[in-house]
Amino acid sequence: EPEVTQTPSHQVTQMGQEVILRCVPISNHLYFYWYRQILGQKVEFLVSFYNNEISEKSEIFDDQFSVERPDGSNFTLKIRSTKLEDSAMYFCASSPGLARYEQYFGPGTRLTVT
Amino acid sequence: AQSVTQLGSHVSVSEGALVLLRCNYSSSVPPYLFWYVQYPNQGLQLLLKYTTGATLVKGINGFEAEFKKSETSFHLTKPSAHMSDAAEYFCAVCNSGGSNYKLTFGKGTLLTVNP
Repeated sequence: EPEVTQTPSHQVTQMGQEVILRCVPISNHLYFYWYRQILGQKVEFLVSFYNNEISEKSEIFDDQFSVERPDGSNFTLKIRSTKLEDSAMYFCASSPGLARYEQYFGPGTRLTVT
Repeated sequence: AQSVTQLGSHVSVSEGALVLLRCNYSSSVPPYLFWYVQYPNQGLQLLLKYTTGATLVKGINGFEAEFKKSETSFHLTKPSAHMSDAAEYFCAVCNSGGSNYKLTFGKGTLLTVNP
């Protein structure tokens, strides 16, 4: 069964460094999302992406964040200058064209900022 | 704006007992509703969903949920708990009428199953 994959599973970085989190969505899906879950808190929407552009972003998704689909398979989230409060589990999700609400999640990348 | 409230951050049941995880939502438009399960060190797996039609929906692993519009609820049930059901469960909502189907999640309920 096709699945969303994410790399790395765990990333440790120092405050102020740039990180790139990578996702490979399900191959025929058209909509892509990033969510995050700070330890002990809710899963929160960050951004949705369709047709090579951001379709919606949350207040969390400020200028430090960017997303890209550099080729036909990868979907990346970049944080330019990480802060301690960016420490969280980051989930990528994708959904098919006809059922955009049915989102399939990857296993997540745990980002630890020290 | 939409929101989800899950009553009880931790529910503990005995193996074989009924599982009931509560979810209430608020939404200004007809909602699409979801339950996701997260096993330790894994991602979110879709258990079941309600979009339109029959209000009682069945999902994987014997779980089901009923959409009750008058109560703005979407509680998750399973008649008989199994040890393998121990996990965290998240209720989520998205707006049916929007162009972007972002999910709004509840805080999650950790289900413990005792032998």
